[in-house]
Amino acid sequence: EIVLTQSPGTLSLSPGERATLSCRASQSVSSNYLAWYQQKPGQAPRLLIHGASIRATGLPDRFRGSGSGTDFTLTISRLEPEDFGVYFCQQYGSSHKTWTFGQGTKVDIK
Amino acid sequence: EVQLVESGGGLVQPGGSLRLSCAASGFTFSSYAMSWVRQAPGKGLEWVSSLSGTSTLTGRGFTTYYADSVEGRFTISRDDSQNTVFLQMNSLRAEDTALYYCAKGVPTAFLPLDYWGQGTLVTVSS
Repeated sequence: EIVLTQSPGTLSLSPGERATLSCRASQSVSSNYLAWYQQKPGQAPRLLIHGASIRATGLPDRFRGSGSGTDFTLTISRLEPEDFGVYFCQQYGSSHKTWTFGQGTKVDIK
Repeated sequence: EVQLVESGGGLVQPGGSLRLSCAASGFTFSSYAMSWVRQAPGKGLEWVSSLSGTSTLTGRGFTTYYADSVEGRFTISRDDSQNTVFLQMNSLRAEDTALYYCAKGVPTAFLPLDYWGQGTLVTVSS
C-alpha cells in the first residue's frame, strides 16, 4: 500500500499570503495519478486537482498542483477567505488498486 | 445537476450488518464508476471501495475494489435501473464508525472523485 504523508499538519496564514502544501508518497505514484481535495467543516470534500497538476473545472488559477514520482505540492498563490479548510491528497495509481489518502493539512486563519 | 444522496446509516451493534444506499441523478449513472469513502469522527478520509461503470468495464466485466480494512466484510454493488449504488456491510466493528460518502468517478476512470454526496453516519456500538 502506498502511504501518503502530508506536511505541515496545520498552516496558519493570513488572506493574501501564499500557501504551500506537501504530499510525499512512500513509493512512486504511477502516471502521476495524484489528486487534491478541499474539505470545509460540515461539507463533503471537493476535487481541486487531478493528474498532479490538472485543475478541476472552474477552479481558480491561484491553485496550482505540481510534482511527480513521490513528491507533490499544492500551492495557493494568494489565499482568499474561502480557501481555509482541510486539504487531502489521494493517490490512484497503485497497481494493487488500493487508493489511499494523506492525513490532511489544515489551512486556517492566522 | 449531479446529486448523490446517501441513506441507510444508523446505530448497529458490533458484529451486525447494515446496507447503505446512494441514489444518483443528473448524469448517465451506468457509465460511471462509483466509490465509497468514509471519515471517522474528527479524522481524515479513507477510501473504502469502488465499482466500475460501463465506461470502465474490462474483459472480465464489472470490477470491484476494496480497502484491506473492509475486504471480505463489505460488498459494493449497483442497480443501474434505479441509479443506485449500495454498500453491504457485515461483521461491523467499532472502527467502522464513520460518515460514509458516496462519490462519482471522473469519466472513463475509477478515480479521482468529482462529485460527492453529503454522507450517512454509521455508528457501531453496543
